[in-house]
Amino acid sequence: RKEVEQDPGPFNVPEGATVAFNCTYSNSASQSFFWYRQDCRKEPKLLMSVYSSGNEDGRFTAQLNRASQYISLLIRDSKLSDSATYLCVVKGPGGGNKLTFGTGTQLKVEL
Amino acid sequence: ETGVTQTPRHLVMGMTNKKSLKCEQHLGHNAMYWYKQSAKKPLELMFVYNFKEQTENNSVPSRFSPECPNSSHLFLHLHTLQPEDSALYLCASSQSEQGADGYTFGSGTRLTVV
Repeated sequence: RKEVEQDPGPFNVPEGATVAFNCTYSNSASQSFFWYRQDCRKEPKLLMSVYSSGNEDGRFTAQLNRASQYISLLIRDSKLSDSATYLCVVKGPGGGNKLTFGTGTQLKVEL
Repeated sequence: ETGVTQTPRHLVMGMTNKKSLKCEQHLGHNAMYWYKQSAKKPLELMFVYNFKEQTENNSVPSRFSPECPNSSHLFLHLHTLQPEDSALYLCASSQSEQGADGYTFGSGTRLTVV
């Protein structure tokens, strides 16, 4: 089983739609969770951390379910500029406290 | 300059060449990392340095040789590479290896081995 697993997509959605991505992780001892965004041929950039109680940043909502070992990202009112690959990222201690990345979910927002 | 800067942005090298990738961070971080990103694969951790000391070598072939002279600079020396080593090499830094913070990445060096 992969350490961090995501549906690669692509998810093609119309502008204004709500879209959700899920991610599962294998190590129950993982302590920190993040969503990163990566644009084509660019470096990954931190989108948001994911907290146990769930957290929201504008149109983006992240949730963590430790019992089921999955993380979700909800994007409301999608914009064309949201088109990117969204990377689910998990941090140790099982992985030696380093970040472990999923392969990413590609989102394409269309007119 | 701010953030994490990597040079060169692009590199084409032959299998018998020797080249070096450079990374510099201006964030006052104490941990630095090299990652490899190949097409359709997740980012693969290569090396970790914490306070200039290497704390992880993720079974990376010896043709990749890291160097960390201080907490702000990280190099990746390359020699006798193979075509399958062609990838995007990303440097990242964080406040500490043990902290719960995320990483700041550089723009990467896109390496092509011919």
